[in-house]
Amino acid sequence: QKEVEQNSGPLSVPEGAIASLNCTYSDRVSQSFFWYRQYSGKSPELIMSIYSNGDKEDGRFTAQLNKASQYVSLLIRDSQPSDSATYLCAGGGGSQGNLIFGKGTKLSVKP
Amino acid sequence: DTGVSQDPRHKITKRGQNVTFRCDPISEHNRLYWYRQTLGQGPEFLTYFQNEAQLEKSRLLSDRFSAERPKGSFSTLEIQRTEQGDSAMYLCASSLGAGQLSYEQYFGPGTRLTVT
Repeated sequence: QKEVEQNSGPLSVPEGAIASLNCTYSDRVSQSFFWYRQYSGKSPELIMSIYSNGDKEDGRFTAQLNKASQYVSLLIRDSQPSDSATYLCAGGGGSQGNLIFGKGTKLSVKP
Repeated sequence: DTGVSQDPRHKITKRGQNVTFRCDPISEHNRLYWYRQTLGQGPEFLTYFQNEAQLEKSRLLSDRFSAERPKGSFSTLEIQRTEQGDSAMYLCASSLGAGQLSYEQYFGPGTRLTVT
């Protein structure tokens, strides 16, 4: 199993809908998780961090972490065309602080 | 703008040439990371510094790659004898080196390298 896995998509949702992005991770990944948004040709932008089991909400974004299932998700409510981007899931790589990234899920929000 | 900056933003070089990239982290961040990203992949860790000390290097960092952070501020990444496989986006990130916050990394705009 790869250390951080994501469905590459593309995931297409209509404007105003909820977009659900998922990520699984292996035992080698530590218990800190991050979602980055990356527009085409740009660098990753940190949008959410989650460290403990449960949900964390920030505006239209909700991150969910389930350590027992080794599963992380990101929900985007009221999706907008400007949310169209690749979303990267990342986990801590160990005690030294580097991140291990998935390949990203491409999200397309249709007007 | 107090974010991470990188220079140059684009670099085209011929195979066999040496290239050097610079990264200036967020001023209060003492950790600095280098990643490489190719099309369709997530960023891959190369190396990182805590202040001026290089603490970890990935197996991806071959002998042709060297990184420095001489005074614990900006960092440089040099690639010697470039190969076409080195073509990628080179990303720099910084973070506060304190517990969980060390994982909250903020990326610069990247340097896109094309080796012809």
